[in-house]
Amino acid sequence: GENVEQHPSTLSVQEGDSAVIKCTYSDSASNYFPWYKQELGKRPQLIIDIRSNVGEKKDQRIAVTLNKTAKHFSLHITETQPEDSAVYFCALPSSGSARQLTFGSGTQLTVLP
Amino acid sequence: DAGVIQSPRHEVTEMGQEVTLRCKPISGHNSLFWYRQTMMRGLELLIYFNNNVPIDDSGMPEDRFSAKMPNASFSTLKIQPSEPRDSAVYFCASSFGGSMNTEAFFGQGTRLTVV
Repeated sequence: GENVEQHPSTLSVQEGDSAVIKCTYSDSASNYFPWYKQELGKRPQLIIDIRSNVGEKKDQRIAVTLNKTAKHFSLHITETQPEDSAVYFCALPSSGSARQLTFGSGTQLTVLP
Repeated sequence: DAGVIQSPRHEVTEMGQEVTLRCKPISGHNSLFWYRQTMMRGLELLIYFNNNVPIDDSGMPEDRFSAKMPNASFSTLKIQPSEPRDSAVYFCASSFGGSMNTEAFFGQGTRLTVV
């Protein structure tokens, strides 16, 4: 499957500060870059995604940026709130005909009040 | 639509027993995925079906694991015999389209404990 590396594995920020999580990948053919959020004890849910024809996408306090040359994409959360505390996963479709979704190792974000 | 439905939500079984996990994908979705989540290994794709046909089962850990999709609205993941190291949360997800360039919707998961 696709090789995707996610950093950091844990991240603590003060409420109101920004958080940035980064994923790097190896397959230059990748063209879809989603981010999922998993709250404790719940299922992963898509929060934002970007396709390779744009470099940035925003949705209120969250944004995703894509650098295809450097092969990395990042999740940005501004004005963090306690309810942002969760595990965040980047994901990539694999190369080849199967196109299964491979997830990064996850980032545990803790927003401190 | 009620979303992806998995059953049971929790399963505790003894080592050596057969375990069957069930999934009902979202109506109209033609791709179905089984994932396993553990602290050590994160979210691992076990098997992927497209139009009820298994496309990639390279993630199935060993022969003790098997999955079926007899029709568009039902899939099972079976472990026989189960072992303590199979303890994990098993997620089923579905999406529309032949690739994963669209959103994957996850079920609530089945927490399996093998003692």
